[in-house]
Amino acid sequence: GAVVSQHPSWVICKSGTSVKIECRSLDFQATTMFWYRQFPKQSLMLMATSNEGSKATYEQGVEKDKFLINHASLTLSTLTVTSAHPEDSSFYICSAMDREPQPQHFGDGTRLSIL
Amino acid sequence: GQNIDQPTEMTATEGAIVQINCTYQTSGFNGLFWYQQHAGEAPTFLSYNVLDGLEEKGRFSSFLSRSKGYSYLLLKELQMKDSASYLCAVINSNYQLIWGAGTKLIIKP
Repeated sequence: GAVVSQHPSWVICKSGTSVKIECRSLDFQATTMFWYRQFPKQSLMLMATSNEGSKATYEQGVEKDKFLINHASLTLSTLTVTSAHPEDSSFYICSAMDREPQPQHFGDGTRLSIL
Repeated sequence: GQNIDQPTEMTATEGAIVQINCTYQTSGFNGLFWYQQHAGEAPTFLSYNVLDGLEEKGRFSSFLSRSKGYSYLLLKELQMKDSASYLCAVINSNYQLIWGAGTKLIIKP
């Protein structure tokens, strides 16, 4: 159980494009979803926490207008990287949790490359 | 502040045993997780400790001492596929998950 699906796995696109990443909990209802990014050989960095039906809480230094998060249902959250630039290239990972204090279950991640 | 300390890198031999330590200082405690992350992949959940003592799950065991702010992950009968980063994470009193930087484990034949 506790499967989280993240799509797409890879994205390569031109600078200025907006990219949407989906995160779905397949066999449980996720009250909270998390979005992380990770640069090569570095630690996970939490970008934002989202609860179903409410606005996401962004970590300090993360631009909320740049990284739009929508958590419209208990099984789906989306991250949209707006007007992406090469410096946004990274590994983006979502996780979901059904209730506290349960483990976060991670999607497989999305590797984003902006040319 | 809140911080979690774990060694940056460890090396062990195939078939041996290795212990990865984690010490934490957080505002309250609601549990400690260990995750495994292979290079280029997302983390996968290994264990959860909320009470003191040892939790065993196959070749992996995790220990917690809340009074000492200390945990370890014990890996037995090491296999080459165990080469990965091991992340320690603590839930504080606000139910925020505080992540350690991870320990890169290198297994040699």
